[in-house]
Amino acid sequence: ETGVTQTPRHLVMGMTNKKSLKCEQHLGHNAMYWYKQSAKKPLELMFVYNFKEQTENNSVPSRFSPECPNSSHLFLHLHTLQPEDSALYLCASSPQTSLLTGELFFGEGSRLTVL
Amino acid sequence: GENVEQHPSTLSVQEGDSAVIKCTYSDSASNYFPWYKQELGKRPQLIIDIRSNVGEKKDQRIAVTLNKTAKHFSLHITETQPEDSAVYFCAAEHSSSNTGKLIFGQGTTLQVKP
Repeated sequence: ETGVTQTPRHLVMGMTNKKSLKCEQHLGHNAMYWYKQSAKKPLELMFVYNFKEQTENNSVPSRFSPECPNSSHLFLHLHTLQPEDSALYLCASSPQTSLLTGELFFGEGSRLTVL
Repeated sequence: GENVEQHPSTLSVQEGDSAVIKCTYSDSASNYFPWYKQELGKRPQLIIDIRSNVGEKKDQRIAVTLNKTAKHFSLHITETQPEDSAVYFCAAEHSSSNTGKLIFGQGTTLQVKP
């Protein structure tokens, strides 16, 4: 499989549930990202990882907890979410964090609904 | 912080006509400007990008222009086709910070009528 793969594609959870989103990239990239896409809002950067180290946390609430065990895998652990957290969560990767060296490549996204 | 404004939010054109989408950015240190196309239910895909040392770039029916003095850049699609219908996002990166932090515009929904 090639590109950036996200699972699950759809997730419905209650506010007290704990769930995780998974992202895997097969492009040999060193940087990975989580973006949030809500209706009628710009794509919002959440986290950036470079060589497994977190380099950016865009003031994301602690109910979202990222994990990057290696350069190919990225997780987003979800706990005690709110209905307003319902959105499409997009994972992306790039060769380096400087996008002048290569494009940002997105996965298909995980559509999250919080009840 | 960095801000990117994109206009219009929706655009409807007749097949064969041209479409223009405009973006302005706030951080004068930005030096990389990609455009992404997102079809319904699909992932955003890079269609063209431009770096700050270039004023214009063209790829078949798509072109992007950059005016660094005015801090705005535009996407031009000529001879539009129904398959061009999608949401288009502009973005700007402050590359000197080397963080990979792309700031996106709000998106433009383009509808090409056959």
